[in-house]
Amino acid sequence: AQTVTQSQPEMSVQEAETVTLSCTYDTSESDYYLFWYKQPPSRQMILVIRQEAYKQQNATENRFSVNFQKAAKSFSLKISDSQLGDAAMYFCAYRSLSVSGYALNFGKGTSLLVTP
Amino acid sequence: DVKVTQSSRYLVKRTGEKVFLECVQDMDHENMFWYRQDPGLGLRLIYFSYDVKMKEKGDIPEGYSVSREKKERFSLILESASTNQTSMYLCASSPMDILWEPQHFGDGTRLSIL
Repeated sequence: AQTVTQSQPEMSVQEAETVTLSCTYDTSESDYYLFWYKQPPSRQMILVIRQEAYKQQNATENRFSVNFQKAAKSFSLKISDSQLGDAAMYFCAYRSLSVSGYALNFGKGTSLLVTP
Repeated sequence: DVKVTQSSRYLVKRTGEKVFLECVQDMDHENMFWYRQDPGLGLRLIYFSYDVKMKEKGDIPEGYSVSREKKERFSLILESASTNQTSMYLCASSPMDILWEPQHFGDGTRLSIL
């Protein structure tokens, strides 16, 4: 199974600043999908952004963008103009296309604190 | 919007009890999943199903079973609950043939085994 590593258990950012959450993964596949999910205290897992491995262009969703480095197997999330509502657990996830059901492999998560 | 509903938000059971966690989705998705979430461990896959009556083990199936009698409903069963199964349980669903589509999650069930 593919391993997903989030090396930062906790991160802190001031409101309006920019923060980058790191994610690396281990795979021998050439095609796959990557996702970032956000889990606020309400516990609902919310999709933040997704990336197809065959696309070289980095995905962007409003204040959220990724730096996808396929050769380095890195998929970091950048949050610009951080807001108090961005405080949450963030999970990086990998979807293999070679296993039935296309289940996700998750990292252990990064807890993001946003300070005023 | 896709709606994944888990029957209980909080649940307290006793050691040795048989426990049922229910999950229903309203988007006709083929794939359904059960994850367990523990602090510092992220989400770990227990079981998944890609069709009615079909199931496959995930990474941590020991002590659990599942049932999928109808497409919209996927149940997680703790045959004889133990204290080490105290955890947060998340259900998710996704379509079979739209790989771009992310998994959609329920709100989770926080289960305590006393």
